Amino acid sequence: EIVLTQSPGSLSLSPGERATLSCKASQSVSTSYLAWYQQRVGQAPRLLIYGTSSRATGIPDRFSGSGSGTDFTLTISRLEPEDFAVYYCQQHGSSPPYTFGQGTKLEMK
Amino acid sequence: EVQMVESGGGLIQPGKSLRLSCAVSGFDINANFMNWVRQAPGKGLEWVSVLYRGGKTYYADSVKGRFTISRDTSINTLYLDMTALRVEDTGVYYCARTNTFGPDYHYAMDVWGQGTAVTVSS
Repeated sequence: EIVLTQSPGSLSLSPGERATLSCKASQSVSTSYLAWYQQRVGQAPRLLIYGTSSRATGIPDRFSGSGSGTDFTLTISRLEPEDFAVYYCQQHGSSPPYTFGQGTKLEMK
Repeated sequence: EVQMVESGGGLIQPGKSLRLSCAVSGFDINANFMNWVRQAPGKGLEWVSVLYRGGKTYYADSVKGRFTISRDTSINTLYLDMTALRVEDTGVYYCARTNTFGPDYHYAMDVWGQGTAVTVSS
């Protein structure tokens, strides 16, 4: 089973700043299979990024994803108030289990 | 409109059984992989089970042998039958659709229900 480790566990930033979230896999993950989700308080997760770097429908271009092999990154270029939430990476390959990272909580400073 | 609505959660004693439902509208559940994902209170997301288009099923080790995923295509509804429930099964259970994107078959869960809460406690 592939284990995903996200860092930092929490991040305190101000609106307008840049956020960089990391996701490291215990073994190589195809770029086709790495996704990112946002979960706001009291809400269901929402797909942000699939295939490492492709934005899902309706996701603003301040969100971007990159990486390969075992190291992946979600970047939010200029934080808006609605971006403060928990972010999860997931490896969703062709075979389960479809593991999630433990999450990074993005908090407003 | 694409929508997934879970129901069936509640307070249940350890060792008992519970059936969760996920009513789907706006797409055919036969056409996609369908998942259950759960979240313990204050914790992260945990994938639980998937039902493939062809009917094959997979489970997380933590629920294997106790949970069963199924569907009723006549009413476009996904189910999760949970038996021998444990305190550690407590959490919000989400149904989620796996979609494939592009010619390179990028997989991701693009539609989620609002979740149904299960509390296992004596």
